[in-house]
Amino acid sequence: AQSVTQLGSHVSVSEGALVLLRCNYSSSVPPYLFWYVQYPNQGLQLLLKYTTGATLVKGINGFEAEFKKSETSFHLTKPSAHMSDAAEYFCAVSDGRSYNTDKLIFGTGTRLQVFP
Amino acid sequence: NAGVTQTPKFQVLKTGQSMTLQCAQDMNHEYMSWYRQDPGMGLRLIHYSVGAGITDQGEVPNGYNVSRSTTEDFPLRLLSAAPSQTSVYFCASTRTGTGTGNTIYFGEGSWLTVV
Repeated sequence: AQSVTQLGSHVSVSEGALVLLRCNYSSSVPPYLFWYVQYPNQGLQLLLKYTTGATLVKGINGFEAEFKKSETSFHLTKPSAHMSDAAEYFCAVSDGRSYNTDKLIFGTGTRLQVFP
Repeated sequence: NAGVTQTPKFQVLKTGQSMTLQCAQDMNHEYMSWYRQDPGMGLRLIHYSVGAGITDQGEVPNGYNVSRSTTEDFPLRLLSAAPSQTSVYFCASTRTGTGTGNTIYFGEGSWLTVV
């Protein structure tokens, strides 16, 4: 079975500081990994995803994540936080073996606060 | 959230009432799904469909029914609402892609309160 653990339900940073949101996964098969962002009262928006190939994945809004198989991690980073980054972030994993029946398993989310 | 439309956005129900959350997509995707989001629990899969006429249960299917008569529509039915079904519901539609993985598009959510 697959699972995702997001360390820290709340993260606070100052504007301009590094953002690091942690995600560890468990999967018996090569996973597909995703980060989604949710702004208040809105749906989920895909930030980035890892399927195969390059382990450093760049996404929208200056975010990137690195797939580290040895650490079973897929941490999300951004060098310099902006006030507009304040949102809830979800890490998710899916079984990429059968792409017609993918089902996402989500972490519990990390709420990012950015202080001026 | 281009292409996935959910209605209603907000709904208050009394315990025991029934209702249907509508979901439609115009991207001709075969795969659609329903998730519920609860505080501290992330999103959990309720039901999914791999094409018209085919549905299956997800992680938390109890209390919900679905049908898929067309590719575009995937309604979620609550036959007898319970307070435990107070949640935010998201419909999703998946574009499958060989070698690049799937891209999942979410609707904007339906906030349901059962009193």
